[in-house]
Amino acid sequence: DAGVIQSPRHEVTEMGQEVTLRCKPISGHNSLFWYRQTMMRGLELLIYFNNNVPIDDSGMPEDRFSAKMPNASFSTLKIQPSEPRDSAVYFCASSFAPWTDTQYFGPGTRLTVL
Amino acid sequence: DAKTTQPPSMDCAEGRAANLPCNHSTISGNEYVYWYRQIHSQGPQYIIHGLKNNETNEMASLIITEDRKSSTLILPHATLRDTAVYYCIVRLEFTFGKGTHLIIQP
Repeated sequence: DAGVIQSPRHEVTEMGQEVTLRCKPISGHNSLFWYRQTMMRGLELLIYFNNNVPIDDSGMPEDRFSAKMPNASFSTLKIQPSEPRDSAVYFCASSFAPWTDTQYFGPGTRLTVL
Repeated sequence: DAKTTQPPSMDCAEGRAANLPCNHSTISGNEYVYWYRQIHSQGPQYIIHGLKNNETNEMASLIITEDRKSSTLILPHATLRDTAVYYCIVRLEFTFGKGTHLIIQP
């Protein structure tokens, strides 16, 4: 099993640009999570999906952030427009069920907004 | 919501057992205790989880007190590669706090 796959691994962009992060969950997993990690705030949950449906997006910082899961094997997290304070490592994780099963994390995308 | 409390950092000599404590005094009866670790620049890695009974796998052992208000993660023979931030998490919340930065000393 390849595990959770994220792309790109590193992204450097300028303020105001659109950024799209991608995630492929483990095959067979029904739940997908997006996290953000910074030194100041630690690891925080942004949004999670169950069976491709967004269940809780209360962690999404503002309207500039949006997430989609068009099918069971793919999800995106988009930031438009990006700002320097969005610089962080973004992790995707998947599990069989939302809160009753082990989550497996991807390697993360390190985003730098200049 | 159940919260967890961990010491911010700990040292352990290589080859010795590392015992990482966690307090979760407000845990509910159906909430599991999960342990993850994060090695620098990598995604969090699952270690072990448990509900009431002690658990053991190839990575570690988990000791949960009878009242379930605290637990201890045990790495039986710590190596330098075990240096990481260790997170104790209550299942239904899955909020990662600051964790414990475990440093294995050669």
